[in-house]
Amino acid sequence: AQTVTQSQPEMSVQEAETVTLSCTYDTSESDYYLFWYKQPPSRQMILVIRQEAYKQQNATENRFSVNFQKAAKSFSLKISDSQLGDAAMYFCAYTANAGKSTFGDGTTLTVKP
Amino acid sequence: DVKVTQSSRYLVKRTGEKVFLECVQDMDHENMFWYRQDPGLGLRLIYFSYDVKMKEKGDIPEGYSVSREKKERFSLILESASTNQTSMYLCASGEGRIVQYFGAGTRLSVL
Repeated sequence: AQTVTQSQPEMSVQEAETVTLSCTYDTSESDYYLFWYKQPPSRQMILVIRQEAYKQQNATENRFSVNFQKAAKSFSLKISDSQLGDAAMYFCAYTANAGKSTFGDGTTLTVKP
Repeated sequence: DVKVTQSSRYLVKRTGEKVFLECVQDMDHENMFWYRQDPGLGLRLIYFSYDVKMKEKGDIPEGYSVSREKKERFSLILESASTNQTSMYLCASGEGRIVQYFGAGTRLSVL
Protein backbone atom coordinates (compact mmCIF):
# COMPACT_ATOMS: atom_id res chain seq x y z
CA ALA A 1 0.00 0.00 0.00
CA GLN A 2 1.12 3.50 -0.71
CA THR A 3 2.11 5.60 2.28
CA VAL A 4 2.85 9.29 2.66
CA THR A 5 4.92 10.50 5.59
CA GLN A 6 5.23 14.04 6.84
CA SER A 7 7.84 13.88 9.58
CA GLN A 8 7.30 17.41 10.89
CA PRO A 9 4.01 17.76 12.81
CA GLU A 10 4.75 21.45 13.42
CA MET A 11 6.99 24.06 11.85
CA SER A 12 7.43 27.75 12.37
CA VAL A 13 8.96 30.50 10.26
CA GLN A 14 9.60 34.18 10.62
CA GLU A 15 7.67 36.42 8.27
CA ALA A 16 9.58 37.03 5.02
CA GLU A 17 11.84 34.02 5.62
CA THR A 18 11.88 30.71 3.76
CA VAL A 19 10.64 27.41 5.12
CA THR A 20 10.73 23.88 3.76
CA LEU A 21 8.18 21.20 4.61
CA SER A 22 9.20 17.60 4.16
CA CYS A 23 7.31 14.71 2.63
CA THR A 24 8.34 11.20 1.71
CA TYR A 25 6.25 8.53 0.08
CA ASP A 26 6.42 4.88 -0.69
CA THR A 27 5.24 3.40 -3.96
CA SER A 28 6.08 0.80 -6.54
CA GLU A 29 4.36 2.75 -9.29
CA SER A 30 6.29 4.67 -11.92
CA ASP A 31 3.50 6.98 -13.02
CA TYR A 32 1.88 9.10 -10.36
CA TYR A 33 1.10 12.60 -9.15
CA LEU A 34 2.14 14.40 -5.99
CA PHE A 35 0.35 17.32 -4.40
CA TRP A 36 0.60 19.84 -1.62
CA TYR A 37 -2.61 21.15 -0.11
CA LYS A 38 -3.10 24.02 2.33
CA GLN A 39 -5.81 24.06 4.97
CA PRO A 40 -6.08 27.44 6.74
CA PRO A 41 -7.83 27.70 10.10
CA SER A 42 -11.13 28.31 8.26
CA ARG A 43 -10.81 24.67 7.11
CA GLN A 44 -11.27 25.06 3.33
CA MET A 45 -8.60 22.89 1.75
CA ILE A 46 -6.78 24.44 -1.22
CA LEU A 47 -4.57 22.78 -3.81
CA VAL A 48 -1.24 24.63 -3.70
CA ILE A 49 0.94 22.80 -6.17
CA ARG A 50 1.18 19.54 -8.07
CA GLN A 51 3.96 17.52 -9.67
CA GLU A 52 3.72 14.81 -12.30
CA ALA A 53 6.26 12.07 -11.63
CA TYR A 54 7.34 11.88 -15.26
CA LYS A 55 8.40 15.52 -15.24
CA GLN A 56 11.96 16.16 -14.14
CA GLN A 57 11.47 19.88 -13.69
CA ASN A 58 10.30 20.91 -10.26
CA ALA A 59 6.91 22.62 -10.17
CA THR A 60 6.62 26.23 -9.02
CA GLU A 61 3.65 28.43 -8.22
CA ASN A 62 4.67 31.96 -7.30
CA ARG A 63 6.30 31.72 -3.84
CA PHE A 64 5.72 27.97 -3.62
CA SER A 65 8.09 25.46 -5.15
CA VAL A 66 8.84 21.80 -4.72
CA ASN A 67 11.98 19.71 -4.60
CA PHE A 68 11.02 16.42 -6.20
CA GLN A 69 13.57 13.64 -5.77
CA LYS A 70 12.03 10.63 -7.50
CA ALA A 71 14.72 8.12 -6.63
CA ALA A 72 14.62 9.13 -2.99
CA LYS A 73 10.81 9.32 -3.05
CA SER A 74 10.95 12.75 -1.52
CA PHE A 75 8.69 15.71 -2.26
CA SER A 76 9.37 18.79 -0.16
CA LEU A 77 7.56 22.14 -0.33
CA LYS A 78 9.49 25.40 -0.12
CA ILE A 79 7.67 28.58 0.78
CA SER A 80 9.66 31.70 0.05
CA ASP A 81 9.05 35.15 1.54
CA SER A 82 6.60 33.68 4.05
CA GLN A 83 3.50 35.71 4.79
CA LEU A 84 1.10 35.65 7.71
CA GLY A 85 -1.53 34.20 5.38
CA ASP A 86 0.64 31.15 4.81
CA ALA A 87 -0.14 29.94 8.33
CA ALA A 88 -2.08 26.72 7.88
CA MET A 89 -1.89 22.98 7.98
CA TYR A 90 -0.17 21.60 4.91
CA PHE A 91 -0.87 18.14 3.54
CA CYS A 92 1.24 16.18 1.12
CA ALA A 93 -0.66 13.72 -1.06
CA TYR A 94 0.05 11.04 -3.63
CA THR A 95 -2.10 9.48 -6.32
CA ALA A 96 -1.38 6.86 -8.92
CA ASN A 97 -4.91 5.98 -9.87
CA ALA A 98 -7.86 8.33 -10.28
CA GLY A 99 -9.68 8.70 -7.00
CA LYS A 100 -7.14 6.87 -4.87
CA SER A 101 -5.22 9.68 -3.25
CA THR A 102 -3.25 9.03 -0.07
CA PHE A 103 -2.65 11.96 2.26
CA GLY A 104 0.00 12.52 4.90
CA ASP A 105 -0.91 13.46 8.47
CA GLY A 106 -0.18 17.14 7.88
CA THR A 107 2.28 19.78 9.07
CA THR A 108 1.04 22.80 10.98
CA LEU A 109 2.92 25.90 9.88
CA THR A 110 3.07 28.95 12.13
CA VAL A 111 4.26 32.27 10.72
CA LYS A 112 5.70 34.67 13.27
CA PRO A 113 5.43 38.42 12.63
CA ASP B 1 -16.83 31.91 -6.51
CA VAL B 2 -18.24 28.87 -4.73
CA LYS B 3 -17.19 25.60 -6.38
CA VAL B 4 -17.93 22.77 -3.90
CA THR B 5 -20.75 23.27 -1.43
CA GLN B 6 -21.49 21.07 1.54
CA SER B 7 -25.00 21.47 2.87
CA SER B 8 -24.10 21.78 6.55
CA ARG B 9 -21.09 23.11 8.45
CA TYR B 10 -22.14 21.51 11.73
CA LEU B 11 -24.41 18.59 12.50
CA VAL B 12 -25.36 16.93 15.76
CA LYS B 13 -27.03 13.54 15.53
CA ARG B 14 -27.92 10.73 17.89
CA THR B 15 -26.59 7.20 17.80
CA GLY B 16 -28.59 5.05 15.42
CA GLU B 17 -29.91 7.90 13.29
CA LYS B 18 -29.60 7.83 9.52
CA VAL B 19 -27.51 10.79 8.43
CA PHE B 20 -27.23 12.39 5.01
CA LEU B 21 -24.32 14.65 4.07
CA GLU B 22 -24.87 16.47 0.81
CA CYS B 23 -22.29 17.89 -1.57
CA VAL B 24 -22.75 19.85 -4.78
CA GLN B 25 -20.11 21.00 -7.26
CA ASP B 26 -20.60 23.51 -10.05
CA MET B 27 -17.60 22.70 -12.23
CA ASP B 28 -18.97 19.71 -14.17
CA HIS B 29 -16.26 17.46 -12.72
CA GLU B 30 -16.56 13.75 -13.31
CA ASN B 31 -14.91 12.73 -10.05
CA MET B 32 -16.24 13.43 -6.60
CA PHE B 33 -14.87 12.26 -3.25
CA TRP B 34 -15.77 11.95 0.39
CA TYR B 35 -12.97 12.11 2.96
CA ARG B 36 -12.93 11.90 6.68
CA GLN B 37 -10.44 14.05 8.60
CA ASP B 38 -9.35 13.19 12.12
CA PRO B 39 -6.47 14.72 14.13
CA GLY B 40 -3.23 12.82 13.58
CA LEU B 41 -4.75 10.65 10.86
CA GLY B 42 -4.78 13.06 7.94
CA LEU B 43 -7.50 12.58 5.35
CA ARG B 44 -8.88 9.14 4.69
CA LEU B 45 -10.92 8.33 1.61
CA ILE B 46 -14.35 6.90 2.32
CA TYR B 47 -15.83 6.63 -1.18
CA PHE B 48 -15.41 8.23 -4.53
CA SER B 49 -17.46 8.41 -7.70
CA TYR B 50 -16.09 8.73 -11.23
CA ASP B 51 -19.44 9.10 -12.97
CA VAL B 52 -23.14 9.27 -12.32
CA LYS B 53 -24.34 6.14 -10.50
CA MET B 54 -20.75 4.86 -10.34
CA LYS B 55 -18.88 4.52 -7.08
CA GLU B 56 -15.85 2.87 -5.61
CA LYS B 57 -14.87 2.14 -2.04
CA GLY B 58 -12.02 4.02 -0.54
CA ASP B 59 -9.93 3.04 2.45
CA ILE B 60 -12.62 3.21 5.15
CA PRO B 61 -16.06 2.51 3.61
CA GLU B 62 -17.48 0.50 6.51
CA GLY B 63 -20.59 2.10 7.97
CA TYR B 64 -21.03 4.44 5.01
CA SER B 65 -22.77 4.42 1.66
CA VAL B 66 -23.01 6.98 -1.12
CA SER B 67 -25.35 8.11 -3.83
CA ARG B 68 -24.70 9.96 -7.06
CA GLU B 69 -27.86 10.36 -9.09
CA LYS B 70 -26.72 13.57 -10.80
CA LYS B 71 -23.28 14.60 -11.90
CA GLU B 72 -23.14 17.64 -9.65
CA ARG B 73 -24.34 15.97 -6.44
CA PHE B 74 -22.64 13.37 -4.28
CA SER B 75 -24.23 12.28 -1.01
CA LEU B 76 -22.66 10.44 1.89
CA ILE B 77 -25.00 8.33 4.00
CA LEU B 78 -24.42 7.02 7.48
CA GLU B 79 -26.96 4.21 7.72
CA SER B 80 -26.89 4.05 11.52
CA ALA B 81 -24.67 6.70 13.04
CA SER B 82 -22.26 5.66 15.74
CA THR B 83 -20.09 7.71 18.09
CA ASN B 84 -16.92 6.64 16.28
CA GLN B 85 -18.22 8.43 13.21
CA THR B 86 -17.88 11.77 14.96
CA SER B 87 -15.47 13.59 12.66
CA MET B 88 -14.92 16.26 10.04
CA TYR B 89 -16.18 15.19 6.62
CA LEU B 90 -14.76 16.77 3.48
CA CYS B 91 -16.23 16.56 0.02
CA ALA B 92 -14.07 17.22 -3.02
CA SER B 93 -14.22 17.14 -6.79
CA GLY B 94 -11.76 16.99 -9.65
CA GLU B 95 -10.83 15.76 -13.08
CA GLY B 96 -8.67 12.71 -13.69
CA ARG B 97 -6.24 12.08 -10.85
CA ILE B 98 -6.41 15.52 -9.37
CA VAL B 99 -8.48 16.13 -6.25
CA GLN B 100 -8.77 19.79 -6.98
CA TYR B 101 -11.50 21.52 -5.01
CA PHE B 102 -12.72 20.87 -1.51
CA GLY B 103 -15.84 21.95 0.29
CA ALA B 104 -15.69 23.78 3.61
CA GLY B 105 -16.35 20.57 5.53
CA THR B 106 -19.10 19.25 7.78
CA ARG B 107 -18.26 18.70 11.42
CA LEU B 108 -20.47 15.85 12.57
CA SER B 109 -21.01 15.01 16.21
CA VAL B 110 -22.78 11.76 17.06
CA LEU B 111 -24.05 11.63 20.63
